[in-house]
Amino acid sequence: DQQVKQNSPSLSVQEGRISILNCDYTNSMFDYFLWYKKYPAEGPTFLISISSIKDKNEDGRFTVFLNKSAKHLSLHIVPSQPGDSAVYFCAASVFRGTASKLTFGTGTRLQVTL
Amino acid sequence: GAVVSQHPSWVICKSGTSVKIECRSLDFQATTMFWYRQFPKQSLMLMATSNEGSKATYEQGVEKDKFLINHASLTLSTLTVTSAHPEDSSFYICSEQLAGAYEQYFGPGTRLTVT
Repeated sequence: DQQVKQNSPSLSVQEGRISILNCDYTNSMFDYFLWYKKYPAEGPTFLISISSIKDKNEDGRFTVFLNKSAKHLSLHIVPSQPGDSAVYFCAASVFRGTASKLTFGTGTRLQVTL
Repeated sequence: GAVVSQHPSWVICKSGTSVKIECRSLDFQATTMFWYRQFPKQSLMLMATSNEGSKATYEQGVEKDKFLINHASLTLSTLTVTSAHPEDSSFYICSEQLAGAYEQYFGPGTRLTVT
C-alpha cells in the first residue's frame, strides 16, 4: 500500500524555468511533509518541509504548497538550475513524540537542461 | 542540518559472510537513528528504528536476526548483515533525528554487493 505517491517518474525543465514536482498521499493522519533531494550513490539531502497547519512554505528558490483537502503537495523550484538535476523524494510523517518515521514517495527524476 | 557519516561507503563480500556498516552522528547526539535500504530506481524503504541503549524496532517483513542493529552510544549505530546473500545487495542508508523533530538527516549511504 503506497501511502505517498509521486506519479511522475521524471521531469525535464529548461534552465531558468519553473520546476513543479507533485506528490499525493492517502493517509489523512500525516501532519508533516518534507522534500528531499538525492544524487546517485548519495544519501538524501533535506530541502524544505511544511506542517499540515500551513498551506505554503518558502525558502529561497524552493516553495512547497500543501492542499490538505486534495491530499496533495507540490514543490516549486524557481528558477531551475542545472545543479538541481537530481531525484526528488517527498516524505510524510505522523508526529509520535520521540521518533517520527518518514514514509517516502517513489521519487521524481528532475533534469534541468541548458 | 546535521552531519552523518557512514562507513564503509562501498563493500563487496562473498555470499555467506557478514558485513558491518557503521553510522555516526558527527555534530549532535541523535536520539534516534533509522536504517533504510534502496533498490535501484526505487524508493527508500525503512528497515528499522534504532534508539541508544534499547533494542531496535524492525519494520514488518525485515528479518531482525539477519539485519542486526546495535546502538551502543548516542553517536553510533551499526547494521550487520549476517550470512549475506546476493539478494541483500542494495544501498543502505542511515539517518538521525532529534527527539521531537520530524526532519531526518541522512548519511551518504553504503553500497553493498554480495557475490
